[in-house]
Amino acid sequence: QTVVTQEPSFSVSPGGTVTLTCGLSSGSVSTTSYPSWYQQTPGQPPRTLIYSTNTRSSGVPDRFSGSILGNKAALTITGAQPDDESDYYCVLYMGSGIVVFGGGTKLTVL
Amino acid sequence: EVQLVESGGGLVQPGGSLRLSCAASGFTFSNYWINWVRQAPGKGLEWVASIKQDGTEKSYVDSVKGRFTISRDNAKNSLYLQMNSLRVEDTAVYYCARFMYTSNYLDYWGQGTLVTVSS
Repeated sequence: QTVVTQEPSFSVSPGGTVTLTCGLSSGSVSTTSYPSWYQQTPGQPPRTLIYSTNTRSSGVPDRFSGSILGNKAALTITGAQPDDESDYYCVLYMGSGIVVFGGGTKLTVL
Repeated sequence: EVQLVESGGGLVQPGGSLRLSCAASGFTFSNYWINWVRQAPGKGLEWVASIKQDGTEKSYVDSVKGRFTISRDNAKNSLYLQMNSLRVEDTAVYYCARFMYTSNYLDYWGQGTLVTVSS
């Protein structure tokens, strides 16, 4: 069974930079997994931020960026804003229409 | 404008059945894989099932195999999830989400419908 790992929580100061990561319990994450990132606030559906590792979805501020760091996918927020306080989910594509979600990272901006 | 609107959620007893629907508009429905994703109260997102454009390929998370059936009616621009033998742990908000096959990600989401399984 594929398990996608994320930090359960992270904290960043306003204006600061934070990098959230997305790994596999066994193996490495690469661009062939088409990592994507989603932001969710309470009571709302997820919002797509990043797809295909590093492509920002329409309307997403450029302070959000995606990359591969070592054997993990990464989401970096540069110049964090109070509105960025949310849950962030990584998704990896497994083929045949199957995707797997990470457990999510709760980001606090304070 | 792409829209996905789920319906059919509600309260059901353990062992019962429920059928969710997702009405799509603003795009050519028959050109896309569509997925169901759920979120239990206070928990993370979990992929549930997906269906190919023409309905010939379907995939499910292990925990719902044999109990849930995903289907679609391209003439009605609609997606369905038939849920049988429901368990307390199936309680969640269920989202339908469009799958962008060129880049393999979920690009549009509905607002979700709440399914509560309780006696």
